[in-house]
Amino acid sequence: DAGVTQSPTHLIKTRGQQVTLRCSPKSGHDTVSWYQQALGQGPQFIFQYYEEEERQRGNFPDRFSGHQFPNYSSELNVNALLLGDSALYLCASSWEGQLNTEAFFGQGTRLTVV
Amino acid sequence: EDQVTQSPEALRLQEGESSSLNCSYTVSGLRGLFWYRQDPGKGPEFLFTLYSAGEEKEKERLKATLTKKESFLHITAPKPEDSATYLCAVGTGNQFYFGTGTSLTVIP
Repeated sequence: DAGVTQSPTHLIKTRGQQVTLRCSPKSGHDTVSWYQQALGQGPQFIFQYYEEEERQRGNFPDRFSGHQFPNYSSELNVNALLLGDSALYLCASSWEGQLNTEAFFGQGTRLTVV
Repeated sequence: EDQVTQSPEALRLQEGESSSLNCSYTVSGLRGLFWYRQDPGKGPEFLFTLYSAGEEKEKERLKATLTKKESFLHITAPKPEDSATYLCAVGTGNQFYFGTGTSLTVIP
């Protein structure tokens, strides 16, 4: 079992650009959640996808959007990048469409905005 | 306001010196409390889930306990490989809140 996989591992973008991050959930999982982790901070919940729909959302602007595909994989899109968007972006997968079941995390994508 | 606070921010222990990490929370409608371990540059690794006050779970040198207002992660006779950041997270059904973590260093 490959677990949760994320791509790419590192990314450098320029302010104002758009970025797409990808996540494949652990086998058997149907729910994907995205988190932003700034240096020295705990992860901040962005949103959760279940059955190809956004089910829960944290306090993030509309520049952050996502998608879930029929195979349960997911994308996180960020438009009009700001310097403050530089962070480790984590994907977590779980099952049953509930926020409070065990979530398994990927290794993350390190995004640097210059 | 829903909040999760972890203490201490950093902890240095000698190998074999037992201690406890604290996670206090103020949330409406706790649905679960989670402990994760995170190594530098990596994603969090799931350790425990606790659902109700009085519940305890153990794994190797780690033991997690839960009360109505806080959780403790007890580390017994730690080894250098236990060095990591330990994160606490609370689920409320609508949101999933993480604390800022405790950075643990175990010195040989």
